[in-house]
Amino acid sequence: NAGVMQNPRHLVRRRGQEARLRCSPMKGHSHVYWYRQLPEEGLKFMVYLQKENIIDESGMPKERFSAEFPKEGPSILRIQQVVRGDSAAYFCASSPPYNQETQYFGPGTRLLVL
Amino acid sequence: GENVEQHPSTLSVQEGDSAVIKCTYSDSASNYFPWYKQELGKRPQLIIDIRSNVGEKKDQRIAVTLNKTAKHFSLHITETQPEDSAVYFCAASIRGANNLFFGTGTRLTVIP
Repeated sequence: NAGVMQNPRHLVRRRGQEARLRCSPMKGHSHVYWYRQLPEEGLKFMVYLQKENIIDESGMPKERFSAEFPKEGPSILRIQQVVRGDSAAYFCASSPPYNQETQYFGPGTRLLVL
Repeated sequence: GENVEQHPSTLSVQEGDSAVIKCTYSDSASNYFPWYKQELGKRPQLIIDIRSNVGEKKDQRIAVTLNKTAKHFSLHITETQPEDSAVYFCAASIRGANNLFFGTGTRLTVIP
């Protein structure tokens, strides 16, 4: 059973460009979470999604950031018009429907904005 | 929202000694407390968790204790080994909400 997959693992963007980060949950997991980690800091919750639904986006900036988890395909975290402050590691986690609290993390996408 | 504090930020121990990391939380509605280990450049890995209906849980060299009254929980690693060196994060989840609130991490170094 493959773990949580994320791609790309590294992403370089110039200021003003768009960044698209993808996350495929573990097989059988229907809950996806996105977290951001700045260097030398803990993980900060951004958004929690189930298939075709955003359950909690209280940690996501109101502008430039959006997330989706379509019926088919991976979850996408989209950052428009990136700024240098968006540089961070973005981790996705998934949990099974029978034990929603227990989250398993992907390897992360390290975004660098030049 | 929940606020999780973690201490110490760095911890060095001799191989074979024990290591203890402590966390406090603010919201009495929190009922799930996982611990993650993160090696440099790697994903956070769940190593142990505890729910609020239990006071202690042990898995080989790792144990976690929870004091609901005082709102604090601790990670205990016994007989430490160099491969235990990593950053450890505690987290808390509020009942009814699945997102995790993380502490700021403890960098553990086990000296051979």
